[in-house]
Amino acid sequence: EAQVTQNPRYLITVTGKKLTVTCSQNMNHEYMSWYRQDPGLGLRQIYYSMNVEVTDKGDVPEGYKVSRKEKRNFPLILESPSPNQTSLYFCASSLPGTNTEAFFGQGTRLTVV
Amino acid sequence: AQKITQTQPGMFVQEKEAVTLDCTYDTSDPSYGLFWYKQPSSGEMIFLIYQGSYDQQNATEGRYSLNFQKARKSANLVISASQLGDSAMYFCAMREGISSGSARQLTFGSGTQLTVLP
Repeated sequence: EAQVTQNPRYLITVTGKKLTVTCSQNMNHEYMSWYRQDPGLGLRQIYYSMNVEVTDKGDVPEGYKVSRKEKRNFPLILESPSPNQTSLYFCASSLPGTNTEAFFGQGTRLTVV
Repeated sequence: AQKITQTQPGMFVQEKEAVTLDCTYDTSDPSYGLFWYKQPSSGEMIFLIYQGSYDQQNATEGRYSLNFQKARKSANLVISASQLGDSAMYFCAMREGISSGSARQLTFGSGTQLTVLP
């Protein structure tokens, strides 16, 4: 089954404690991205990757890091989480240069206290 | 400036009736794609329908259709014969530069919460 898998689904952590949210896709998609969803703001892109070892900032990259060492994986790293990073996070993948939709993971609800 | 504007934070519709969710967009790129996603209370993002800027006809997918008015830069989603299961948040999104061969980011609107009344 074609899917994007994120882990964990729910996470409560404390300010400053480094964490990683994993994302894996099994569709051989080149393009992957991370979004955060906040009430009234829709989804905003954090980082994206066009292919292995190619990443770039989206609209709200501050406080986040990513890496793309393998095509299927695109982890999101919060080196020192802060309460304003409490949000619902989505990973997505798609084929580049096509008109197909982005496939989304199930979402990760992060709370930073 | 907002690239995607959804002016209806919340909408109500009676079961079995049709409803239109508004979406306007802003781009100077001649090549772009417009997407609608549904997010039920469980949280997942479900792709509904796509419209390309060069498509001559309005897109349709089952009970979903897209009323694409290019000159007005609007891409309204029409849901016919609403069902209780249609109650969800609906997002309009745009990807620019489709023809460039690179997948640009999806830019989302703020969403419309649709409630279907029995």
